Amino acid sequence: EPEVTQTPSHQVTQMGQEVILRCVPISNHLYFYWYRQILGQKVEFLVSFYNNEISEKSEIFDDQFSVERPDGSNFTLKIRSTKLEDSAMYFCASSEGSGDTFTDTQYFGPGTRLTVL
Amino acid sequence: AQSVTQLDSHVSVSEGTPVLLRCNYSSSYSPSLFWYVQHPNKGLQLLLKYTSAATLVKGINGFEAEFKKSETSFHLTKPSAHMSDAAEYFCVVIRGGFQKLVFGTGTRLLVSP
Repeated sequence: EPEVTQTPSHQVTQMGQEVILRCVPISNHLYFYWYRQILGQKVEFLVSFYNNEISEKSEIFDDQFSVERPDGSNFTLKIRSTKLEDSAMYFCASSEGSGDTFTDTQYFGPGTRLTVL
Repeated sequence: AQSVTQLDSHVSVSEGTPVLLRCNYSSSYSPSLFWYVQHPNKGLQLLLKYTSAATLVKGINGFEAEFKKSETSFHLTKPSAHMSDAAEYFCVVIRGGFQKLVFGTGTRLLVSP
């Protein structure tokens, strides 16, 4: 069964450094997403991406964050100048993009645990 | 705005006994509701979804949920728990026309032999 993959599984970085989290969505999917879960808190939506542009983003997704689909298979989340509070599990997801968000299912990857020291 | 409330942070059951994980939703519009499960070191896996068709929704691994508009609830049930059901379960809502999933705080299901 096709699945979303994410690398690395765990990333440790120093405060102020830039990190890139990588995701390979399911191959025929058109919508891509990033969510995060700070330890002990809810899973929160960050951004959705379609047709090479951001289609929706949350208030969390400020100028520190950017997303890119650099080639036909990868989808990346870049965090510039990381802060301690960026420490979280980051989940990538993808969906077919049926056009109906009621029926369009988001499939999640296993997550990348980011630790900022 | 859409939101979901999971009423229990932890639920403990014995293997072979029924499972009930409670979720209440708040939505100004007809919602689409989901249950996702997360096993340790695994991604979030879709268990089932409600999209305004049948109010009783059957999912994978013997789970089902019933949408009750009058009670604004979408509780997850399973007649007989298995050890492999031990995981974190998330109730999730989405508003039509948007892509943002809104998660509940999660319920950790513990299954004892």
